Amino acid sequence: DGGITQSPKYLFRKEGQNVTLSCEQNLNHDAMYWYRQDPGQGLRLIYYSQIVNDFQKGDIAEGYSVSREKKESFPLTVTSAQKNPTAFYLCATGESPAAETQYFGPGTRLLVL
Amino acid sequence: GESVGLHLPTLSVQEGDNSIINCAYSNSASDYFIWYKQESGKGPQFIIDIRSNMDKRQGQRVTVLLNKTVKHLSLQIAATQPGDSAVYFCAEGNEKLTFGTGTRLTIIP
Repeated sequence: DGGITQSPKYLFRKEGQNVTLSCEQNLNHDAMYWYRQDPGQGLRLIYYSQIVNDFQKGDIAEGYSVSREKKESFPLTVTSAQKNPTAFYLCATGESPAAETQYFGPGTRLLVL
Repeated sequence: GESVGLHLPTLSVQEGDNSIINCAYSNSASDYFIWYKQESGKGPQFIIDIRSNMDKRQGQRVTVLLNKTVKHLSLQIAATQPGDSAVYFCAEGNEKLTFGTGTRLTIIP
C-alpha cells in the first residue's frame, strides 16, 4: 500500500443511493486506476486516468463515475445505476502513463443493505 | 496451474519447502508480466516482474520464470514461510494489464 490510501475500509450502500470511494496517493504518480474484484475473477478495470483532468473508461465502466481534479486524488462514485455493486474495490497507481507496474491501495469493501 | 482466465484454487506446501505457482497466458503480444501477492482483506502487493526479453529473474527468495514458447509463467518461492500464505496472481501487460484469478497458497506447519 504505502503511499496509497483508500477510505472507507467498509462502505454500506442503500438501494438507489450513490456512494463515493476515496483514493489518495502521495507517490507523485501520474496514472491512477480503479478495479473491481469479485470472488473467483481477476481484477476488472473500471476507469483509469493518466493525467490530471483526463480519464478513460475501462472494461466495466457502466454505473460508475470518476473525477481527477488533482494529481493526488481519484475518487470513484458508484451510482444507483450499478445494479450489482457488492465487491472489493481497489485503487492503483502507476509512475507514468506508460509505466506498466501498478501499485495498489488497501481496498474498500462495498456492501449493499 | 493458474491461467489468465482459469485458476487452480489452492496449493498446499509444507513449511520450509519450495513453492511453485504457475500461470498460463494467452496473449503472445504481452511483453511485461507481474506477480502479485494478496493477503485476505488487503490490496495486492507487488512481488516481482519480468519482461518478455528475459527468461528468468530473481528477487529475494522468489524467482520468476518465463517460457514464451508455451506462454507460461511461474513463481518460485524458496523455503516457504507461514507469512507466505496468501493468494498469488499474475498479470500480463501490453498497453494495459490483464489479471489472472489467483492461486491460494496454504502453508502446512
